[in-house]
Amino acid sequence: NAGVTQTPKFRVLKTGQSMTLLCAQDMNHEYMYWYRQDPGMGLRLIHYSVGEGTTAKGEVPDGYNVSRLKKQNFLLGLESAAPSQTSVYFCASSKDTFVSGNTIYFGEGSWLTVV
Amino acid sequence: AQSVAQPEDQVNVAEGNPLTVKCTYSVSGNPYLFWYVQYPNRGLQFLLKYITGDNLVKGSYGFEAEFNKSQTSFHLKKPSALVSDSALYFCAVRSPAGTALIFGKGTTLSVSS
Repeated sequence: NAGVTQTPKFRVLKTGQSMTLLCAQDMNHEYMYWYRQDPGMGLRLIHYSVGEGTTAKGEVPDGYNVSRLKKQNFLLGLESAAPSQTSVYFCASSKDTFVSGNTIYFGEGSWLTVV
Repeated sequence: AQSVAQPEDQVNVAEGNPLTVKCTYSVSGNPYLFWYVQYPNRGLQFLLKYITGDNLVKGSYGFEAEFNKSQTSFHLKKPSALVSDSALYFCAVRSPAGTALIFGKGTTLSVSS
């Protein structure tokens, strides 16, 4: 079972460069998320999607864009990378809303360094 | 706004001793609470959740959590700690719209042999 797969796992960017992180899930989940994890900050929600073709802003959306063209994929784009975007990025998915307490499944993380 | 707080950055226990990782919550409406664990260089793994029902929730790897409405707490517990339990633990609550999870800052658990 692949579950949630993120690519690339590691990347170093120069300030001002752009890049896209790809997330793929094989569980036919409706909901997908992008979080960033920083020391002492826990996980913060960047953007999320409640279904194919939909996206919504989370807690820290500035500097990022997302797209959900296919149900199984959720892309996170950095338009012009900044050192403040150095972080570990986690993609996640869930079957449905958390109204009924659905579990969220995480990928292994993508380590991004902006120099 | 929904939020969770983990008052301890680090918890140290000896192997074989009971462990507690603390979490308090602030929510409007019914709290849907979760615990996740993260091992080094890995993603988060689900441990347990409280939606409704019994205040004592049992989860994976021998962990349990006690929901206390009067104290607005959801502490994670294990009767006998293992060195392999050493990891980063996150408490989480669902967002008001039920569309995402809001995480605490995490507590590092270190179990010594």
